[in-house]
Amino acid sequence: EAGVVQSPRYKIIEKKQPVAFWCNPISGHNTLYWYLQNLGQGPELLIRYENEEAVDDSQLPKDRFSAERLKGVDSTLKIQPAELGDSAVYLCASSPRQGVVGELFFGEGSRLTVL
Amino acid sequence: AQKITQTQPGMFVQEKEAVTLDCTYDTSDQSYGLFWYKQPSSGEMIFLIYQGSYDEQNATEGRYSLNFQKARKSANLVISASQLGDSAMYFCAMREGHDYKLSFGAGTTVTVRA
Repeated sequence: EAGVVQSPRYKIIEKKQPVAFWCNPISGHNTLYWYLQNLGQGPELLIRYENEEAVDDSQLPKDRFSAERLKGVDSTLKIQPAELGDSAVYLCASSPRQGVVGELFFGEGSRLTVL
Repeated sequence: AQKITQTQPGMFVQEKEAVTLDCTYDTSDQSYGLFWYKQPSSGEMIFLIYQGSYDEQNATEGRYSLNFQKARKSANLVISASQLGDSAMYFCAMREGHDYKLSFGAGTTVTVRA
């Protein structure tokens, strides 16, 4: 079974430029998460989707960040314009609706460097 | 308030020895779940072990065991017989109630020496 796939793995951009990250969750997983991980810290939730509906986006900085999950499968996270402080790893995770334990399955992340 | 506290930023352990990673948590929910994840240098978060708040026995998964002390609100991870491949960052996380969101601690870096 394929895991969570993210791209790009690495992205370097100038500040004020836009950037987008793509995530393909594990097949059949209804719930999708985007987490932000700063260097040396634990991941922090940005947004959670149940199918195509964003059910928790309270931590998403909506002035510059946006996300979508069309058709309830793939998801895209966009930053426009990027700031120096956005340099971090953006992790995507998914989980099945009826998971017994409820663990999240993570991708390898997209590492963003803003110059 | 911090929900998950991991006070050990980094630890060194000799190959084949056991290591204990500390985790304390804060919640007012009676129903919650505690997780440990491993993050090697490749970046992927790998699920290791889970403990439910109502589970009476400590969870074990191969060389991983969770020392769950509910009254003290601690959920320490024990890795037995450390291997070089265990060198990674380890995160403790909690899910409260029926929320699917995981709250993570700051992590502990483990370096296994040959």
